[in-house]
Amino acid sequence: GAGVSQSPRYKVAKRGQDVALRCDPISGHVSLFWYQQALGQGPEFLTYFQNEAQLDKSGLPSDRFFAERPEGSVSTLKIQRTQQEDSAVYLCASSRGGVRLAPLHFGNGTRLTVT
Amino acid sequence: DAKTTQPTSMDCAEGRAANLPCNHSTISGNEYVYWYRQIHSQGPQYIIHGLKNNETNEMASLIITEDRKSSTLILPHATLRDTAVYYCIVRINTGTASKLTFGTGTRLQVTL
Repeated sequence: GAGVSQSPRYKVAKRGQDVALRCDPISGHVSLFWYQQALGQGPEFLTYFQNEAQLDKSGLPSDRFFAERPEGSVSTLKIQRTQQEDSAVYLCASSRGGVRLAPLHFGNGTRLTVT
Repeated sequence: DAKTTQPTSMDCAEGRAANLPCNHSTISGNEYVYWYRQIHSQGPQYIIHGLKNNETNEMASLIITEDRKSSTLILPHATLRDTAVYYCIVRINTGTASKLTFGTGTRLQVTL
C-alpha cells in the first residue's frame, strides 16, 4: 500500500547500544512527525519536519535522541546509548501540510525494547 | 492546546451506536476538535474533525455542542473491528506545525 512505512517493526537493544529507526512517509507529504508511545499511554510528540527542515524538536527527551530528514523524504530517528526508559513504540506520521491542514497518517511504529 | 477529558473506557454491543463523549471546556474559538483511534498494535488512524458545525463522513459523525465545550463521536453501527482506543484532541489548525497532543483516550470494547 501507499501508507507510512516504518522499519524495523521490532528492535531489541542492549543498554548502551545505539539504534536507528527508519520512516518512509507517504510520497509527496511535506510534514513528518515522530512520536513516542509508552505502554498504556497516548503518543507523545518528539519532533517535526517540514521537508528537510526540523522546525520543532521540543519533545526530544534528551540529547541522546537525534532525528534527520536530509532529502525531505525518508527520516531516521537515532537514539544513542539507549537506556531502559527508552523502551516504547516509536511512531512516525506524515501529512500534506498546507493552510487547510490535512490529517496525520501514522505508521504502525517500531517497538523498541532495551534490555 | 486545550485539554480534553474522556471516560477511560466504554462498552458497546455490536450493531448498536457507540457514543463517545469528550469535554473540552477551555477550547478557544480557533481550535478544532479532532478524533483519532488506535487499534491494538497499529498507529493512530484519523477519523474526523470539526470546528463548530456537526460533521459526518463514512466512518463516523461528530456532534459539537453550541458552546463548543463538549463533543460526541458517534459510530452508528459498531462492529468488533471498532474496538480501539479513541482519542479526542483539540488544536489550532495552522498551516505549519500540526502537532497533536494526545491524552489517554477512551478504550471502546465492542462485544457480541
